[in-house]
Amino acid sequence: KNEVEQSPQNLTAQEGEFITINCSYSVGISALHWLQQHPGGGIVSLFMLSSGKKKHGRLIATINIQEKHSSLHITASHPRDSAVYICAAGGADGLTFGKGTHLIIQP
Amino acid sequence: GAGVSQTPSNKVTEKGKYVELRCDPISGHTALYWYRQSLGQGPEFLIYFQGTGAADDSGLPNDRFFAVRPEGSVSTLKIQRTERGDSAVYLCASSSGGSLNTQYFGPGTRLTVL
Repeated sequence: KNEVEQSPQNLTAQEGEFITINCSYSVGISALHWLQQHPGGGIVSLFMLSSGKKKHGRLIATINIQEKHSSLHITASHPRDSAVYICAAGGADGLTFGKGTHLIIQP
Repeated sequence: GAGVSQTPSNKVTEKGKYVELRCDPISGHTALYWYRQSLGQGPEFLIYFQGTGAADDSGLPNDRFFAVRPEGSVSTLKIQRTERGDSAVYLCASSSGGSLNTQYFGPGTRLTVL
């Protein structure tokens, strides 16, 4: 069974700061997912990547398959980025989720 | 087209009762997943359907939990003899199939067992 660890668990930063959230997993995967969950809201898929790097707006996700590690970066962070960010390791069937990183961006 | 929908959005029941939670996936998506998220935790996998069949039900916690997808579209998660520990948000997701496809999540059903 895959073990997925995220760090930090909680992160509070000022508006404009560069944010990095880390994720490591124990077993080889087919894809790594980054998800966003707002309080009381549903889960939105941000990225799915199996190698290299992806960018969407101010969000960047990278993965190192050899080291079994992925990072999610947010540039020029904004209060509306405040949410729980979850990484999930995709295998042959469902996803194994990390516990999430609770991000608060203060104005 | 509509996204993944789940009904009801909230369900309050008494210990020992039977509940059914429904998931309507995105039209045409062959893969359907059920997850459970307890307060303060990340979601955990319950069961995965490919078409009508359960491809992997290893995440179902015990035999009180059962899920069906008889026509390969709508799925129902059934919980018998509910216990307080079953209280959680039950999430459904669908994808066009395969582990390299993005999963689209529904809003979840919040189940509270009193």
